[in-house]
Amino acid sequence: GESVGLHLPTLSVQEGDNSIINCAYSNSASDYFIWYKQESGKGPQFIIDIRSNMDKRQGQRVTVLLNKTVKHLSLQIAATQPGDSAVYFCAEKMGYQKVTFGTGTKLQVIP
Amino acid sequence: KAGVTQTPRYLIKTRGQQVTLSCSPISGHRSVSWYQQTPGQGLQFLFEYFSETQRNKGNFPGRFSGRQFSNSRSEMNVSTLELGDSALYLCASSSTGVTGELFFGEGSRLTVL
Repeated sequence: GESVGLHLPTLSVQEGDNSIINCAYSNSASDYFIWYKQESGKGPQFIIDIRSNMDKRQGQRVTVLLNKTVKHLSLQIAATQPGDSAVYFCAEKMGYQKVTFGTGTKLQVIP
Repeated sequence: KAGVTQTPRYLIKTRGQQVTLSCSPISGHRSVSWYQQTPGQGLQFLFEYFSETQRNKGNFPGRFSGRQFSNSRSEMNVSTLELGDSALYLCASSSTGVTGELFFGEGSRLTVL
């Protein structure tokens, strides 16, 4: 049959507000959990990662939270700006194995 | 430091043809990974090379192949192209391939007619 295009969930946020993007991961044995940002026409760009033995890590305007109990990862962006509009992917990695990407969330910043 | 360079950026082929895509990683990076990105399937892992050896392989048919040279540059080849191979092919490099921090190129957009 005909394949259906992947429908990306969209998060619309007012400029200046905080954004929270959520992700459910699959492999409880993953060592690293990573967030990537992909702007239109560009390749994904690394934002921040967190090791499996941590539950929170902060970067510049971004915070990643890891809840291993429910296999949940979130990315918080403070004071969201128009330049933050992009598709955000969570990803996971175990040892020397491949980086596996989630399906992505589109962040739309409303000026 | 120069980023990851992929060539060509755009190409159009017809069914049955073959295509070779090239990737130059960041200087000093020994790991190169390839991904296929489509609206229908998202980012799908093709393979990873480290020091000229294939370290990981995704679930793609044998028509998809790759290699890495001694200078870490990598190529991927797709033979007997099908319409469904139309996609953005992304190359990413990393220094060791351990942490998951990948540096992506801008991709090669392949259209198969």
